[in-house]
Amino acid sequence: DVKVTQSSRYLVKRTGEKVFLECVQDMDHENMFWYRQDPGLGLRLIYFSYDVKMKEKGDIPEGYSVSREKKERFSLILESASTNQTSMYLCASSFTIKQGEQYFGPGTRLTVT
Amino acid sequence: AQTVTQSQPEMSVQEAETVTLSCTYDTSENNYYLFWYKQPPSRQMILVIRQEAYKQQNATENRFSVNFQKAAKSFSLKISDSQLGDTAMYFCAFMKNDMRFGAGTRLTVKP
Repeated sequence: DVKVTQSSRYLVKRTGEKVFLECVQDMDHENMFWYRQDPGLGLRLIYFSYDVKMKEKGDIPEGYSVSREKKERFSLILESASTNQTSMYLCASSFTIKQGEQYFGPGTRLTVT
Repeated sequence: AQTVTQSQPEMSVQEAETVTLSCTYDTSENNYYLFWYKQPPSRQMILVIRQEAYKQQNATENRFSVNFQKAAKSFSLKISDSQLGDTAMYFCAFMKNDMRFGAGTRLTVKP
């Protein structure tokens, strides 16, 4: 079975802090994704990566950056956390981008105070 | 850009009964993929069922089936013999070049 893990289930940070969310997948998938999930809005794509050191902006990249130094690991970085970034963050991976299902991690619920 | 609409924010069903969750989408594409994902409370999102647009036959996975109406751009999920473990958020998703999700439907199965 594909396993996607995220470094924290719950995280509380202060406004202005730099925040790192880590995601690791064990299926040698080429593609990895970061979404944020908010009530009534579903999942919105922040960034995705189709290869090591490659990244593409999604729909809402502002205030975020990403890093993919190794194939299995995809990090989401909040350079200076703000209260409007309080949300559930989901990481996903897939073998192909255009037709493959995505496998999700358990999510990180981030609260910025 | 493609949009996905789930018009039912919340639904409930009695155990053992059948429930249908609605999903419509907007696209000018001819070939694409559609998915239903399930997110149980405090648990990981998992794939329930998948449909390729070029296939006319509706996908089925045990108690889960879809009604795919390509011309109407509709992709509803039917859950038969509902079980307590079906309680979850359900997301409809459209994929062409990237994955687009609906806002979700929170389904509660009542004993």
